[in-house]
Amino acid sequence: DQQVKQNSPSLSVQEGRISILNCDYTNSMFDYFLWYKKYPAEGPTFLISISSIKDKNEDGRFTVFLNKSAKHLSLHIVPSQPGDSAVYFCAASRLGGSEKLVFGKGTKLTVNP
Amino acid sequence: GAGVSQTPSNKVTEKGKYVELRCDPISGHTALYWYRQSLGQGPEFLIYFQGTGAADDSGLPNDRFFAVRPEGSVSTLKIQRTERGDSAVYLCASSLQGANTEAFFGQGTRLTVV
Repeated sequence: DQQVKQNSPSLSVQEGRISILNCDYTNSMFDYFLWYKKYPAEGPTFLISISSIKDKNEDGRFTVFLNKSAKHLSLHIVPSQPGDSAVYFCAASRLGGSEKLVFGKGTKLTVNP
Repeated sequence: GAGVSQTPSNKVTEKGKYVELRCDPISGHTALYWYRQSLGQGPEFLIYFQGTGAADDSGLPNDRFFAVRPEGSVSTLKIQRTERGDSAVYLCASSLQGANTEAFFGQGTRLTVV
């Protein structure tokens, strides 16, 4: 039973345009959400996070939006760059427990020059 | 080192053998996690250490899997009687407290059971 779902296995965008990666979750107990980026043969790298008390968090070209009522979050990358090409994982956790991360299956983003 | 280090980077073993995978976390990080990533899947939680103790081992698939962190730093994941289905990339991560603070991942150990 997938508690965190990334329904798009891949996404292709043109350099300079916006990339939007989506993530849905089913467990209403999740209250902290993270995005990780992964290049081949490397471990995931933390990108940005958001607490459930917020609906938006921005860091440079990266913005994460959280819609709690819809149990949906999205990652916006503007402008997209070829170096952003990687697999992006959405993850969720519960504060106060073991705080283990529950990951989605990932979306492979390709930014074309 | 500056980051999380995992050794070996690749391990090929025969079905039925015993393997140990090592993780050196970032110095000072009290939280340590093991995850397993199979092909086409996201990382899947195995076990969480806070200091020396396993605070949550609910993700270990069965009793062939065991992990230790005797001095609160280096951790070893041990797999007995390996099976072909154990083939995956095993990832270790550490963070200052828990995962709600940024967790840093190692590059992983790719385990192949033949």
